[in-house]
Amino acid sequence: QQQVKQSPQSLIVQKGGIPIINCAYENTAFDYFPWYQQFPGKGPALLIAIRPDVSEKKEGRFTISFNKSAKQFSLHIMDSQPGDSATYFCAASKAYKYIFGTGTRLKVLA
Amino acid sequence: SQTIHQWPATLVQPVGSPLSLECTVEGTSNPNLYWYRQAAGRGLQLLFYSVGIGQISSEVPQNLSASRPQDRQFILSSKKLLLSDSGFYLCAWSAGTSNYNEQFFGPGTRLTVL
Repeated sequence: QQQVKQSPQSLIVQKGGIPIINCAYENTAFDYFPWYQQFPGKGPALLIAIRPDVSEKKEGRFTISFNKSAKQFSLHIMDSQPGDSATYFCAASKAYKYIFGTGTRLKVLA
Repeated sequence: SQTIHQWPATLVQPVGSPLSLECTVEGTSNPNLYWYRQAAGRGLQLLFYSVGIGQISSEVPQNLSASRPQDRQFILSSKKLLLSDSGFYLCAWSAGTSNYNEQFFGPGTRLTVL
């Protein structure tokens, strides 16, 4: 009940493509869903986050789509660039506790 | 603005040796503090969290312990390291009064136990 399942494990797209990363959770008590971007050897950086009272949130080229009934949410990266190549983690949170997905390694080809 | 520091950045230790990793936060008061471990190619596992000085909660029984001697200082320790303690250790903070509990991560410490 505490798991967050993330897919795919890895993803390769061409520059300008729209990679989509999906996450699914089980516990309906979660009320905050952030996405983090992590470059090799660095700490994760908060990218964008959503609460379950909205179905979509956009910040720059990054969009979260949220489906409360299906208990799923996804990250879309518009017009992807080689600099977006990183590992992306979703998480589901209630109060202090974050449950992270296992990560998606994204490579954007030039 | 807030800044989170971790040191050392990398550490190689023999099995059975002690460990002390330090995390400090600047630019905020009364933060919630967290220690995570990230195994190679995997997600982040919460080890400890703290909502105040001397208040530590453990999420996973293990060979490690945490302490919070000052408001913005969080220390991860071990008396005797195991091979399985190798990994990338991340400290994070969140505002104690935030409703959204955004967590911000430090740069991490890469620990290799040989």
